[in-house]
Amino acid sequence: AQSVTQPDIHITVSEGASLELRCNYSYGATPYLFWYVQSPGQGLQLLLKYFSGDTLVQGIKGFEAEFKRSQSSFNLRKPSVHWSDAAEYFCAVGALNAGNMLTFGGGTRLMVKP
Amino acid sequence: DARVTQTPRHKVTEMGQEVTMRCQPILGHNTVFWYRQTMMQGLELLAYFRNRAPLDDSGMPKDRFSAEMPDATLATLKIQPSEPRDSAVYFCASGLGLAGGDTQYFGPGTRLTVL
Repeated sequence: AQSVTQPDIHITVSEGASLELRCNYSYGATPYLFWYVQSPGQGLQLLLKYFSGDTLVQGIKGFEAEFKRSQSSFNLRKPSVHWSDAAEYFCAVGALNAGNMLTFGGGTRLMVKP
Repeated sequence: DARVTQTPRHKVTEMGQEVTMRCQPILGHNTVFWYRQTMMQGLELLAYFRNRAPLDDSGMPKDRFSAEMPDATLATLKIQPSEPRDSAVYFCASGLGLAGGDTQYFGPGTRLTVL
């Protein structure tokens, strides 16, 4: 079965600084990888996803993520963080043998300092 | 802009009462998921439907929870009787049912408080 680990429960960055949120997965074959964002009081919104092809994936709101098979990682990055990026971020993995189900990580809460 | 809708958005009830949460998936989507989110447990999958048939409800407490899809435009999650430990935010999500890498689209959630 697949699993996802987000090692950082909380991260604080200053507005304008760069951001990297870590995600490690466990799955024997090529996974399908997702990043979702949850603003306070809202549902989860898809930021980006990786299925195949180019390992650097561009998403909405200026986010990108890079799939690194050798490290079993799919880290989320943004070059310059805005105060509105404060939210909780979830990494998720899907697999062919899991039907349509996704396995979610525990989430990373991002706080942005002015 | 197609969205998943959930009603009610907030529900406060007393222990022992029945609670029904409703979800309208995006038109044309054939998979529906129910999740529960708490501070302690994070995001937990409760039930998963494909073409209105339940495929996985292993995450759901069977004695008090039930999930159904009376038709393709409505999914329901019922708790009877409710308990304080059921207090959480319940999310519904829907998807196109693509193999393996299906994107799930989430509703805004129902915040349930059981007193």
